[in-house]
Amino acid sequence: GENVEQHPSTLSVQEGDSAVIKCTYSDSASNYFPWYKQELGKGPQLIIDIRSNVGEKKDQRIAVTLNKTAKHFSLHITETQPEDSAVYFCAANGDQFYFGTGTSLTVIP
Amino acid sequence: DTGVSQDPRHKITKRGQNVTFRCDPISEHNRLYWYRQTLGQGPEFLTYFQNEAQLEKSRLLSDRFSAERPKGSFSTLEIQRTEQGDSAMYLCASSLALGTYNEQFFGPGTRLTVL
Repeated sequence: GENVEQHPSTLSVQEGDSAVIKCTYSDSASNYFPWYKQELGKGPQLIIDIRSNVGEKKDQRIAVTLNKTAKHFSLHITETQPEDSAVYFCAANGDQFYFGTGTSLTVIP
Repeated sequence: DTGVSQDPRHKITKRGQNVTFRCDPISEHNRLYWYRQTLGQGPEFLTYFQNEAQLEKSRLLSDRFSAERPKGSFSTLEIQRTEQGDSAMYLCASSLALGTYNEQFFGPGTRLTVL
């Protein structure tokens, strides 16, 4: 099966700075890579995704990049705000979804 | 609210008791997934349905766990003879699987505590 690794496990940034979270995957057959934001006591919320035929995707302050050769993908959040504080999960979709272990992001006002 | 809903949101039970959770997916979605999430970890896949057919079950899903989706709409997850190790957040997700890609939308989860 797939193995998804996510780094870092915790990340603190000053408001307005950028945050980068990185994930690697093992199964070259995986073709869809979503990112989820999870706030305390809530289910994961899909924030952005990227498909294997695309190298980069951007949505306002959030961007995701994919390097299929190296089997890694990254989430970039620019101009961070306190409401960005949450746990972020990457996932890779092969025959099923495999999630990373999460990154707890804290944005310091 | 037209998102995925789960009931109950919290469940406290004693070891050895049976519990049942319900998930109502987004109405036009044909796939429904169950995941388990423990503290500090990402969601772990348990099982999924396409319409009423259960297509895959994880090895994590012991014989004490059973899931149904009788009419291809809502689903139930039952845990028999609960153990303390079953304490976790149980998440349901749904998707409209039309092709290769598979956007899943999650519900708020049911937090189970086994005493």
